[in-house]
Amino acid sequence: AQSVAQPEDQVNVAEGNPLTVKCTYSVSGNPYLFWYVQYPNRGLQFLLKYITGDNLVKGSYGFEAEFNKSQTSFHLKKPSALVSDSALYFCAAGGSNYQLIWGAGTKLIIKP
Amino acid sequence: DTAVSQTPKYLVTQMGNDKSIKCEQNLGHDTMYWYKQDSKKFLKIMFSYNNKELIINETVPNRFSPKSPDKAHLNLHINSLELGDSAVYFCASSQLLSVRHEQFFGPGTRLTVL
Repeated sequence: AQSVAQPEDQVNVAEGNPLTVKCTYSVSGNPYLFWYVQYPNRGLQFLLKYITGDNLVKGSYGFEAEFNKSQTSFHLKKPSALVSDSALYFCAAGGSNYQLIWGAGTKLIIKP
Repeated sequence: DTAVSQTPKYLVTQMGNDKSIKCEQNLGHDTMYWYKQDSKKFLKIMFSYNNKELIINETVPNRFSPKSPDKAHLNLHINSLELGDSAVYFCASSQLLSVRHEQFFGPGTRLTVL
């Protein structure tokens, strides 16, 4: 069965420190991988995606993610966290069919 | 200039009532979706339409009926509302029916069933 795992319900990071939000996936065929962010009482916003090519993908707000095929991972990273990065982050993956599989979400808290 | 809009933003109603949520996108996309986000923030796909044709119909009670009058609109009608229907419902759209394309989400409709 296809699945996306975000192993951490919550990640706490001090402002200015690097952050990582983890995601692993299991899909059939070549994976298409996405990160979305949801601020309180808002809809989800697209951050970045991996379709093919360079394993390091850069996205909005200084975020990047690294596709690792052997570890079937697509971790979201940022070199220096801002308080305004505090939000709920969703990883999603698609494979050989047209249905996107969503992770359970990780709450990111950046402390001043 | 809102790309994906939903109405209403909040909906409070009694059990047993029938209600509708409307969604419109002005992005020229071919595919639209309905998602349900529960109180634990889990996101679940309910339906997807491509060019007004139903493509994805997940295990959703048949009290939920989507309708797509044209490519830019996807409405959700819910009959005989139950307490467990309380959630935030998101509409989304994407350029094509393909997981290669990112989805654009509306602001959500918070449904509360009393």
